[in-house]
Amino acid sequence: EIVLTQSPVTLSLSPGERATLSCRASQSVSSYLAWYQQKPGQAPRLLIYDVSNRATGIPARFSGSGSGTDFTLTISSLEPEDFAVYYCQQRSNWPLPLTFGGGTKVEL
Amino acid sequence: QVQLVESGGGLVKPGGSLRLSCAASGFKFSDYYMTWIRQPPGKGLEWLSYISGSGSFTNNADAAKGRFTISRDNAKKSLYLEMNSLRGEDTAVYYCARDRGGNSGTYYFDYWGQGTLVTVSS
Repeated sequence: EIVLTQSPVTLSLSPGERATLSCRASQSVSSYLAWYQQKPGQAPRLLIYDVSNRATGIPARFSGSGSGTDFTLTISSLEPEDFAVYYCQQRSNWPLPLTFGGGTKVEL
Repeated sequence: QVQLVESGGGLVKPGGSLRLSCAASGFKFSDYYMTWIRQPPGKGLEWLSYISGSGSFTNNADAAKGRFTISRDNAKKSLYLEMNSLRGEDTAVYYCARDRGGNSGTYYFDYWGQGTLVTVSS
C-alpha cells in the first residue's frame, strides 16, 4: 500500500498569512492526489482533486501542485474559516487501497 | 441539494454485528459509485469499501475484507455496510460518501454524510 506522509503535523499561522502543506508518497501516485479539509465535528470536504483541480465551490485561494511523490496544498491568504485539518488522499494504484495521509492541522 | 444521512451506529459488544445505512437524496443515486470511510476518535481517515452504481463491482480494504460487506438498494436510494465480528479497533465514526465522477468512478469523494458513531466495547 502507498503511504502518504503529511508535514508539518501542525502549522501555526495567523489570518492573512500563506499556508504551505506538504504530502509525500512512498511511491509515485502520478497525478492522482486529492486534498480534503475537515473542521471539528464535521465531515471532510473535497478541496482539490488530480493535484490541482479545485472542486466545485472551492475558493481560488486554495491551490495544489506537484507530481509523482511530492505534493503541496497552498492557501494563499488564510481566512478565519480555513483553520482546520487537511488530509491528502491518493487513488493511484486502484484497485489497491485508497489511502489518506495522517493530516496537517492548521491552527491559529 | 445532495444529502447523505447515515444511521445504524451505536454500542456493540466485541464479536457482534451491525448494519449501517446511508440514505441518499438530491441526485440520481444509481448513477454514482459510493464508498464507506471511517475515522477513529481523534485520528485520521481510513477508506473501507467501494461500490459501483449498479452494485456489480465492489472493492474492499484489507480492514474490511471478510468482515464487512458493502451493498446498495437503488430503488430505496440507500447504501449499506454490514459489519460482523466487530473488534475494539473498529470503533470509529463511519461516513458514507459519493464519488464525484458518477459512473466514471474517479475515486475522489465530493459529498459526505455527517457520520454515524460505532463503539465496540464490552
